[in-house]
Amino acid sequence: EPEVTQTPSHQVTQMGQEVILRCVPISNHLYFYWYRQILGQKVEFLVSFYNNEISEKSEIFDDQFSVERPDGSNFTLKIRSTKLEDSAMYFCASSGWGSGRFYLRDTGELFFGEGSRLTVL
Amino acid sequence: DQQVKQNSPSLSVQEGRISILNCDYTNSMFDYFLWYKKYPAEGPTFLISISSIKDKNEDGRFTVFLNKSAKHLSLHIVPSQPGDSAVYFCAASGGNNDMRFGAGTRLTVKP
Repeated sequence: EPEVTQTPSHQVTQMGQEVILRCVPISNHLYFYWYRQILGQKVEFLVSFYNNEISEKSEIFDDQFSVERPDGSNFTLKIRSTKLEDSAMYFCASSGWGSGRFYLRDTGELFFGEGSRLTVL
Repeated sequence: DQQVKQNSPSLSVQEGRISILNCDYTNSMFDYFLWYKKYPAEGPTFLISISSIKDKNEDGRFTVFLNKSAKHLSLHIVPSQPGDSAVYFCAASGGNNDMRFGAGTRLTVKP
């Protein structure tokens, strides 16, 4: 079964450093998302991406954050200068339309990766 | 912004009994509702969904009920099994392709 893959699974960085989290969405999907979950808290929407541009972003997604789909397969989240409060599990997700169960409005489901844990020291 | 609320952070039930997880939402533009299940160290996985044109959707042991006037939905699991122990997230979307999640409810099913 197709799946979303994320790398790295865990990254430890110093405050102020730049971090890039990588995601390979499911190949026929068109919508891409980043969510994060601070330990013990809810899953929070960060940003959605469609047709090579951001379609919506939350108030969390400030100027320190950026997303890119550089080569048609990877979808990256960059944090320019990490802060302690950026420590969280970051989940990439994708959805799209096509045949059968991947059609968003039929099932509405997002397919999530296993997450990248970011620890900022 | 708390557009999707799950007011019970945890729920414990006995194996074989019914588990009822609740979710409330505030945004009347939401027209599609989903439940996701999450095990530790894994990403959320889709469980069941319901469109706003329905008030009930059933899939095996899982049933989701939607009360639009109350802006409330619930997930029923019957009979509950120990393998159902996980965190359950309610999510909602409307119009666009974004999805807002609740804070989650940790379900523990005791053998």
